[in-house]
Parts: sequence; C-alpha cells; structure tokens
Amino acid sequence: GQNIDQPTEMTATEGAIVQINCTYQTSGFNGLFWYQQHAGEAPTFLSYNVLDGLEEKGRFSSFLSRSKGYSYLLLKELQMKDSASYLCAVTDSNYQLIWGAGTKLIIKP
Amino acid sequence: GAVVSQHPSRVICKSGTSVKIECRSLDFQATTMFWYRQFPKKSLMLMATSNEGSKATYEQGVEKDKFLINHASLTLSTLTVTSAHPEDSSFYICSALAGGVGDFGPGTRLLVL
Repeated sequence: GQNIDQPTEMTATEGAIVQINCTYQTSGFNGLFWYQQHAGEAPTFLSYNVLDGLEEKGRFSSFLSRSKGYSYLLLKELQMKDSASYLCAVTDSNYQLIWGAGTKLIIKP
Repeated sequence: GAVVSQHPSRVICKSGTSVKIECRSLDFQATTMFWYRQFPKKSLMLMATSNEGSKATYEQGVEKDKFLINHASLTLSTLTVTSAHPEDSSFYICSALAGGVGDFGPGTRLLVL
C-alpha cells in the first residue's frame, strides 16, 4: 500500500530551527509537496521537490532523497506565526496526491 | 503560483437541501481536480479525482450519488452535496492540477443544520 509517515507533533522555541521529517512508500513518484495549514484554513503551498537535493526558500528549506524515500522541511528563525500543521504529500505515478497525516508544530516563546 | 478559487467560502443550509461548491483554476487549465474533505484535527481525506470531460473517480467509502462531481471544463469543477445531513458538515477543499504542480482552493465550510 501507499504510505506517508511524519511525526504527529513537535515543539520548538521561537528563534530556533526545527526539522520535520517525512518518509514515503508510494507506487511511483512525481514529486513531493510540503504544505502549511493553520487551523480552519486550507493548506498553503510551501515547497515542491522532484529532484534530489535541497531547495531553499527564505526561512524554509525542503530536502528530498528519492532513493531513501525521505524528505524533510527545515524551518529557521522560528516565529510564533509558524505554529501550524505541516503536511507532506507525494504525487504518485497517476499524479494523485498521497497525504501524510500532518505534523502539528507548536512554537513556544 | 497557480491560483485556485472556491465558492462559496462558507455555507449554512437546512438538512435535506443540496449545496453546490465551485472550484475554479483562475490562471491555468487544470486537467485534473481533486476534492478533499477535512474533519477536525485530521488530515485531508481525498474524496474523488475528476478529469475534464470524464466521470470522476471516487475513493472507497465515498457515495458518488451523494457527492456529485462535474468537471465540465478545464477551469471549473463542481461538487454538489445532495440531500445534505448534519454529518456532512465539514471543510471541503479542492485542488487543481496541471503538469504535476497545482494548488489548493481556500476551502468551503459547510454547516448543515
């Protein structure tokens, strides 16, 4: 079956760095997404990786290793507004999105 | 990035009525659109995948006669919740895809009284 694993919840301190991991087993691979979702809102796009390596975008970076079925989202200089759920999703061979359950990130002052 | 709109953003209806939700890709043609449902504190649940001009593919456990999906054009898909019941109250989100990359609509919060 298809499966996406990510931690259920993480806690970090304002100003610090946090890494959210995601591992996947899917039928085919056509890219991996990271989304941020605040409570009651639709997910917003953060990053898209289809090739191995690190993609940096401001305070957020995303890494992909296709051979390991592994990705991480790195958040630097954490702000209180970064408290949200972070969803990892993989596009399979049929271009269908397979979702992880999300990681709830709690930022403490 | 791609822009996807949803309408309405919020709807309250009486039990037994039908509600239509529109999903539009504003600046690109979406060959595929996905409809999701999100329950409180849970991840998104894919309801169905629709490709323009063909019947939607529903996920197991999703009643196709209750959740009618029409993908009439490359920029518009509609989800109609027929004979809505209070248990259908939820957050419905669409996603439009073209060439492997897409974006989400802002979501529609449905409350059935």
